[in-house]
Amino acid sequence: ETGVTQTPRHLVMGMTNKKSLKCEQHLGHNAMYWYKQSAKKPLELMFVYNFKEQTENNSVPSRFSPECPNSSHLFLHLHTLQPEDSALYLCASSLGTSGGAITDTQYFGPGTRLTVL
Amino acid sequence: LAKTTQPISMDSYEGQEVNITCSHNNIATNDYITWYQQFPSQGPRFIIQGYKTKVTNEVASLFIPADRKSSTLSLPRVSLSDTAVYYCLVVLSGGYNKLIFGAGTRLAVHP
Repeated sequence: ETGVTQTPRHLVMGMTNKKSLKCEQHLGHNAMYWYKQSAKKPLELMFVYNFKEQTENNSVPSRFSPECPNSSHLFLHLHTLQPEDSALYLCASSLGTSGGAITDTQYFGPGTRLTVL
Repeated sequence: LAKTTQPISMDSYEGQEVNITCSHNNIATNDYITWYQQFPSQGPRFIIQGYKTKVTNEVASLFIPADRKSSTLSLPRVSLSDTAVYYCLVVLSGGYNKLIFGAGTRLAVHP
């Protein structure tokens, strides 16, 4: 156990559905991340929150909407997804600093396996 | 942006030392090199991080030459449980937007 939990572990949704992925960390960290991992592609960083402020949005389509209500919770709201969005969505957290340095270790959750029909 | 290149796959046998090399030709002065391990159906797990020369911890060593254009992860005496995908990651200090994972190296350890 890494101290980072994700729910649900598996999700199947239609292209017109709206769903949310949840991530929770019990490590006292201040930075949280969403990654997308597709088959045969490298891990792609999607969003970064540092001290509850979104610091990065790596050109992610608007059908993905992150939310970070506090330092321990991170959500990824999904709507009108496409089949090519099917992937493993990973959440991670790290200590985080006010200066935004990212050399600290990231702790990953087990991921949510998303299938879009 | 610093891009990494790793072998797609490697095979080894139990008890052997495994060295996985990662190329990062355009690494910047302030970039760190980090390695993660990922098992199926799990998120990546931190192994080791370094800036220059050599770093060693309880599970691995990381060798970084003076020009820092490559790095080598060394796993001593691998076991079957070391079968996983290993990612080399160049991390830009001072900003969150430069986390770049490579394609990873799939290591298979055989009995």
